Amino acid sequence: RKEVEQDPGPFNVPEGATVAFNCTYSNSASQSFFWYRQDCRKEPKLLMSVYSSGNEDGRFTAQLNRASQYISLLIRDSKLSDSATYLCVVNGGTGANNLFFGTGTRLTVIP
Amino acid sequence: NAGVTQTPKFRVLKTGQSMTLLCAQDMNHEYMYWYRQDPGMGLRLIHYSVGEGTTAKGEVPDGYNVSRLKKQNFLLGLESAAPSQTSVYFCASSYRTSGLLEQFFGPGTRLTVL
Repeated sequence: RKEVEQDPGPFNVPEGATVAFNCTYSNSASQSFFWYRQDCRKEPKLLMSVYSSGNEDGRFTAQLNRASQYISLLIRDSKLSDSATYLCVVNGGTGANNLFFGTGTRLTVIP
Repeated sequence: NAGVTQTPKFRVLKTGQSMTLLCAQDMNHEYMYWYRQDPGMGLRLIHYSVGEGTTAKGEVPDGYNVSRLKKQNFLLGLESAAPSQTSVYFCASSYRTSGLLEQFFGPGTRLTVL
């Protein structure tokens, strides 16, 4: 079983739409959760960390459900510049420094 | 600040050849990592280092060796390249912290083994 599972998509949405990505993780001891963004042929970059109480950064909202081991990312009012692959990332357990990456969900925002 | 840099950016090897990938960071980060990214597999950790002179195995270490002789540099070696090692290799670094930790990535090295 993979450590992190994501729907690979692709998601094709019109500008202005709201889109949600989900991911599940297998290690109940994981304590750190992130969403990274990766543009085509570029390196991953941190989009936002995910906190237990949920957190928002502008048009982006992240949620964590520890009981279900489920993480979500909501993007409101999609922009063309949001087109990218979104990677769900969790750490390897209590105090672990290693991260496990999902395969990513590809988003294309259409004019 | 250059952040995390990787050399080379591209390389083509023949089966059995060896090579070293260099990663350098100027952010004074304690931790450094090497990943490979393959289609449909996501990024997988090869080796990592929590400080100068220390290294540890990640998820897929076989066929690779690493060294961290200086805090700012992390080298990844392929002793005898195989076609299965064709991939995009990313180096990353992060601060040492007991809490959430952001990893900063280099631009990647695209390696093809024929």
